[in-house]
Amino acid sequence: QVQLQESGPGLVKPSETLSLTCTVSGYSISSGYYWGWIRQPPGKGLEWIGNIYHSGSTFYNPSLESRVTISVDTSKNQFSLKLASVTAADTAVYYCTRSSAVDYWGQGTLVTVSS
Amino acid sequence: EIVMTQSPATLSVSPGERATLSCRASQSISSSLVWYQQKPGQAPRLLIYGASTRATGIPARFSGSGSGTEFTLTISSLQSEDFAVYYCQQYNTWPRTFGQGTKVEIK
Repeated sequence: QVQLQESGPGLVKPSETLSLTCTVSGYSISSGYYWGWIRQPPGKGLEWIGNIYHSGSTFYNPSLESRVTISVDTSKNQFSLKLASVTAADTAVYYCTRSSAVDYWGQGTLVTVSS
Repeated sequence: EIVMTQSPATLSVSPGERATLSCRASQSISSSLVWYQQKPGQAPRLLIYGASTRATGIPARFSGSGSGTEFTLTISSLQSEDFAVYYCQQYNTWPRTFGQGTKVEIK
């Protein structure tokens, strides 16, 4: 079955870059679908961050676009998120996802921005 | 960007009763709408896609309807495991956008 697993630091200092990787098993990223990231601040709703197609085409949330980069490594069956210049407002559970109508989610990883 | 508005924010329902959740889009999204269920400490789960198609393994008591700008999720007879937060999301245009969620709580 398809599984997604986020990995990366759980604590990031303000002004630094948040970096997360999603490892996909049970499905080859290069076979298709959009892959992406969604976040959820503690006690709040879901916010779409962006998607990448297996070919490398990207779509980002305009509110984050100046700070976000999503990339894909088909050889490792992974895709990654980088969010630059983070502040406390970027503290959230970050989910990696498959498809725009998300049928598979990672378990989520809490990233806290704090000095 | 398309704004998704869910109502009500909180819905108090007794087990066995029917729950009706609404989602409105600020412009037409055809049938490009999904509903998710989220329980505390868990990732959301896909319930409905294409506005009305149940995802794999979703019980028949969940149904979705609507097109254009008005959508509804109906839970025909609430079970204890259905008390959760429900989100709608459009995937018709970029950026993808979510509603703010409806919490279904036990009355």
